[in-house]
Amino acid sequence: GAVVSQHPSWVICKSGTSVKIECRSLDFQATTMFWYRQFPKQSLMLMATSNEGSKATYEQGVEKDKFLINHASLTLSTLTVTSAHPEDSSFYICSALDRGQYEQYFGPGTRLTVT
Amino acid sequence: AQSVTQLDSQVPVFEEAPVELRCNYSSSVSVYLFWYVQYPNQGLQLLLKYLSGSTLVKGINGFEAEFNKSQTSFHLRKPSVHISDTAEYFCAVIYSGAGSYQLTFGKGTKLSVIP
Repeated sequence: GAVVSQHPSWVICKSGTSVKIECRSLDFQATTMFWYRQFPKQSLMLMATSNEGSKATYEQGVEKDKFLINHASLTLSTLTVTSAHPEDSSFYICSALDRGQYEQYFGPGTRLTVT
Repeated sequence: AQSVTQLDSQVPVFEEAPVELRCNYSSSVSVYLFWYVQYPNQGLQLLLKYLSGSTLVKGINGFEAEFNKSQTSFHLRKPSVHISDTAEYFCAVIYSGAGSYQLTFGKGTKLSVIP
């Protein structure tokens, strides 16, 4: 199957700093990518839908100014957590949509720890 | 807004018993339906999907699901569960229309298989 990578896999940052997470589709072009957040022992939460060349669509309750999403190419979407706080510590997962198959391919996730 | 409802947040079942995990979605013209599984401490994995064609879809690990358009349901079933099926199961729907795609996840159902 198709491969989606995320970088970094784990990041620790100080409160108040910004962190960028990359999501890449390695062997297919993804016009649509999704960003999720998963708290420990909780369900997956869809944060936003990222469409190449246009503004991301955020789910209700997700602060668009805090979680900046950029999808500048068909293989790369980035999520920047701005002015991170300890409550932003979580597991962030991206996925890329293969429209031909209407199938999502998930990245391995990025664990963010804000101290 | 489109929605996906997983009616049971937790389902305990004895080993070798049958199980059904329920999923209902908002009515829409074009939908593509998925079931994902997340084993403890692992990422999401696709179990099965319905894009078109036969309404009974067979997936991995002996799971199957049936697309029922009139009842807007996509329930997941397995005739005999194993301990290894203990995991969280997510129903997801891609709503398609006018060139746009909206992905919605259910909140998940935790399946606990009891020896």
